[in-house]
Amino acid sequence: NAGVTQTPKFQVLKTGQSMTLQCAQDMNHEYMSWYRQDPGMGLRLIHYSVGAGITDQGEVPNGYNVSRSTTEDFPLRLLSAAPSQTSVYFCASSYIGREQYFGPGTRLTVT
Amino acid sequence: EDQVTQSPEALRLQEGESSSLNCSYTVSGLRGLFWYRQDPGKGPEFLFTLYSAGEEKEKERLKATLTKKESFLHITAPKPEDSATYLCAVQNAGNNRKLIWGLGTSLAVNP
Repeated sequence: NAGVTQTPKFQVLKTGQSMTLQCAQDMNHEYMSWYRQDPGMGLRLIHYSVGAGITDQGEVPNGYNVSRSTTEDFPLRLLSAAPSQTSVYFCASSYIGREQYFGPGTRLTVT
Repeated sequence: EDQVTQSPEALRLQEGESSSLNCSYTVSGLRGLFWYRQDPGKGPEFLFTLYSAGEEKEKERLKATLTKKESFLHITAPKPEDSATYLCAVQNAGNNRKLIWGLGTSLAVNP
């Protein structure tokens, strides 16, 4: 099993550009989520999904969109990148209510 | 308000010097408490889940314990490879779709 995979590993964007961070899991987990991690702020939940076609907002959803068309994939879209979105982004998956398994992360810089 | 506080923020140990990390939590009803290890530049790695006061779990040099207000991660005779940030998260019994994360303890073990 590959577990949770994320692409790209690194990305530099200019302010106003859009992009999609990819996340896939091969563990048949119903639950998938996106976090951002910033120094001194810890892990903050952006969006999550409990199954294909079902998504909901976390604590910091503004500026991000998600969709879940399959169990395996949960992409995160930045609509118009801003310097405040410079961060490390982690995707995670789990059975609902169980321990989450994290991907390796995407380090995003917005200039 | 649900809250997780980890202490100390940073800890430096000599190889073989045992110690404990603390995770204090406030939650209206605890469904589970999770410990993770995070190495620099990587995603968090799951270590333990604890569900009820008095429960203990062990893995190599690590032992996690749980009371009604806090959890401890005991590290016995640590080695340099135990150096990492240790994260604690709790799940509210009324909402199994979100975790409340602490900011972590950064552990450095000197040879």
